[in-house]
Amino acid sequence: AQSVTQPDIHITVSEGASLELRCNYSYGATPYLFWYVQSPGQGLQLLLKYFSGDTLVQGIKGFEAEFKRSQSSFNLRKPSVHWSDAAEYFCAVGNPDDYKLSFGAGTTVTVRA
Amino acid sequence: DAGVTQSPTHLIKTRGQQVTLRCSPKSGHDTVSWYQQALGQGPQFIFQYYEEEERQRGNFPDRFSGHQYPNYSSELNVNALLLGDSALYLCASSLVSQETQYFGPGTRLLVL
Repeated sequence: AQSVTQPDIHITVSEGASLELRCNYSYGATPYLFWYVQSPGQGLQLLLKYFSGDTLVQGIKGFEAEFKRSQSSFNLRKPSVHWSDAAEYFCAVGNPDDYKLSFGAGTTVTVRA
Repeated sequence: DAGVTQSPTHLIKTRGQQVTLRCSPKSGHDTVSWYQQALGQGPQFIFQYYEEEERQRGNFPDRFSGHQYPNYSSELNVNALLLGDSALYLCASSLVSQETQYFGPGTRLLVL
């Protein structure tokens, strides 16, 4: 079975500062990994995804994530946060033998001026 | 290019009632998945439909059922509503040959 852990429930960051959100997954082989963002009252928007190949993936809105097999991690980063990045961020895992996505509990990001 | 659309946006029901939620997939997509997102939690997989058949089901009771039409749109039906069914219901569409799922804005259901 696959699962995802997002250790940080809430992160507060100053505008212009860097951001890193942690994600750890559990799956025996190489999983499919995703980061989604959810603004209040909205659905989920795909930020980026990893299936194979280069372990550093670029996404929209200036986000990037790095797949580290040895640490079973897929952390999300942004070098300089904007106030509009305040939202909830979800890491999700899928795999070739399954059709569902399994999500973490999410990390809420607050951006202070 | 229209994305995933869902209707209605909000819904209020009472315990024991039945509800139907609707989803139109992103243009060109043939697969629809449904998720339940309780307050403060991540989405939980309910089921996935492809070629008008339920292809996989998550850990949800039989009160939750679905349908997919020939135009790929889908419905989620919930019978005998419980207070605990209050949640945001998300529809996601994808191509059967691809793993990436694109989500709609959701339907917020409140059961009183």
